[in-house]
Amino acid sequence: KQEVTQIPAALSVPEGENLVLNCSFTDSAIYNLQWFRQDPGKGLTSLLLIQSSQREQTSGRLNASLDKSSGRSTLYIAASQPGDSATYLCAVRRRGGADGLTFGKGTHLIIQP
Amino acid sequence: DAGVIQSPRHEVTEMGQEVTLRCKPISGHNSLFWYRQTMMRGLELLIYFNNNVPIDDSGMPEDRFSAKMPNASFSTLKIQPSEPRDSAVYFCASNGRRLNTEAFFGQGTRLTVV
Repeated sequence: KQEVTQIPAALSVPEGENLVLNCSFTDSAIYNLQWFRQDPGKGLTSLLLIQSSQREQTSGRLNASLDKSSGRSTLYIAASQPGDSATYLCAVRRRGGADGLTFGKGTHLIIQP
Repeated sequence: DAGVIQSPRHEVTEMGQEVTLRCKPISGHNSLFWYRQTMMRGLELLIYFNNNVPIDDSGMPEDRFSAKMPNASFSTLKIQPSEPRDSAVYFCASNGRRLNTEAFFGQGTRLTVV
């Protein structure tokens, strides 16, 4: 059974810092990995999608990497802003079996002005 | 496209009542997923449809839960009878024709059973 773990569970940093969020998964047989952002009381917004054959994806100040063989992904946020405050969720889609996403429990991020 | 649309946004009901949650996926998407989010367990997959056919319902917690997708543009998740432990946020998501594309989520339905 696929398990996804996100570390840290919570993070508070001053505005302007670069930061890294970590995600690990136990089964390396995946289709892809997706990073989401969730604001309080809201739905999930897709940030980046990395296919199993890719090593990284970039969108603006966000960069996500994938090391499938070691079961790890990181989300790098450059020059953090207060508007980046949210919960960040990592999810993997398994190859074979159920085709839904398996989620980590998220990292709750606070950027201090 | 307006994205994945869920209704209602909030639902408060008494224990024992029937609850029906609704979802309209993104037009052209052929995969639809229902998830449940709680503080304790995070996001869990309940059921998955492909081309309107249920593929995997192993995440449905009990027989009190049922889901249908009568056509490509509409799905329902029903709980009958509801119990306080069903209180959670229920999300619907849809995917394009290839599963290696992004999943898009609706805004969720916050269900409270009292």
